[in-house]
Amino acid sequence: EDKVVQSPLSLVVHEGDTVTLNCSYEVTNFRSLLWYKQEKKAPTFLFMLTSSGIEKKSGRLSSILDKKELFSILNITATQTGDSAVYLCAVDTGNQFYFGTGTSLTVIP
Amino acid sequence: DSGVTQTPKHLITATGQRVTLRCSPRSGDLSVYWYQQSLDQGLQFLIQYYNGEERAKGNILERFSAQQFPDLHSELNLSSLELGDSALYFCASTKGASGGPQDFGPGTRLTVL
Repeated sequence: EDKVVQSPLSLVVHEGDTVTLNCSYEVTNFRSLLWYKQEKKAPTFLFMLTSSGIEKKSGRLSSILDKKELFSILNITATQTGDSAVYLCAVDTGNQFYFGTGTSLTVIP
Repeated sequence: DSGVTQTPKHLITATGQRVTLRCSPRSGDLSVYWYQQSLDQGLQFLIQYYNGEERAKGNILERFSAQQFPDLHSELNLSSLELGDSALYFCASTKGASGGPQDFGPGTRLTVL
């Protein structure tokens, strides 16, 4: 059965901390892995990763994929209160997208 | 604003009833995906349409059905509603038939009493 598992389920940090969110997957046909940020509304797209070892970066956020070990990490440096959200990982198998249950991040001022 | 629109924003109904949720994809996108998000199960893929045709099916119950019209908007029909169907229903769209980042609509919150 295809599945995506995220850890930790939730995280509380102070502003300025660095966090690492994890996503592991087991799917029969991997095409890409995507990260989304969900505040109290619709998920918004952050990164799409298709190749191992190539870091995608956008400001304080970065992500990397390991296709051999079947996982990805999302790093957020110098966290801000605006980073508080649920971060979702999804794997595209070509037929559908499998989402993890998300990591809830709370950044305390 | 993703360009994907969904109506209504909120829907409150009773068990046994039938409802229709509507989605218009972002301009130029041909694929529409439907998802159910409940507290205990995360985001669950229901069904995908591409240019009017069903392309992929996920964990969609037989009581649920969907279609995509020639103008590319899509409707998700939920019938014989149960308390457990209470959830956020998202629609998302992409240009192509498969893959790529999806643009999500704002969602419809369904409450079944």
